Amino acid sequence: GAVVSQHPSWVICKSGTSVKIECRSLDFQATTMFWYRQFPKQSLMLMATSNEGSKATYEQGVEKDKFLINHASLTLSTLTVTSAHPEDSSFYICSARATGGPGELFFGEGSRLTVL
Amino acid sequence: GDSVTQMEGPVTLSEEAFLTINCTYTATGYPSLFWYVQYPGEGLQLLLKATKADDKGSNKGFEATYRKETTSFHLEKGSVQVSDSAVYFCALSEFRTGNQFYFGTGTSLTVIP
Repeated sequence: GAVVSQHPSWVICKSGTSVKIECRSLDFQATTMFWYRQFPKQSLMLMATSNEGSKATYEQGVEKDKFLINHASLTLSTLTVTSAHPEDSSFYICSARATGGPGELFFGEGSRLTVL
Repeated sequence: GDSVTQMEGPVTLSEEAFLTINCTYTATGYPSLFWYVQYPGEGLQLLLKATKADDKGSNKGFEATYRKETTSFHLEKGSVQVSDSAVYFCALSEFRTGNQFYFGTGTSLTVIP
């Protein structure tokens, strides 16, 4: 099946710094990628929909200035957590659907962010 | 709007026990239905899917049948193994809503030897 890769898989940073997480579709093109945040009780929260070449669409309650999303190519989307704080510590997961799909979502391995 | 309701966990079973994880959905159109599995510390992987009523998805001994009359997509396995310990997510996607995915809250399964 199609592969989506996230990097880094885990990162520890100091409060106030910014962290960038990359999401790549390795063997297919993805017009649309999705960023999720997973809370300790497992539920997935959709943060935003990332569209290649245009602005991301954020879900209600997600601060777009804090969680910057860029989808510069058909195989790469990035999530930057700006001025991170301990409450931003979480597991962030990206997913992608092949261009021209409906069809399944392919998920990255997830990135564990810990803000000290 | 569209939504997915999953049975709450956690679920703990002995090895070789029968597994059922209930999932019901709400949709106004004709969604595709999915089960995803998340192993500890990893992202989600597609386990199985069904795209129309009465379809049965199956993989790795897991099965789920798309029941339109009961709006359900229950996950079953006849004999679970320790390696099946994971979190299972039911999801739907519908063309009418731009193929956005709606996930259940996840059900944690622990299988003990």
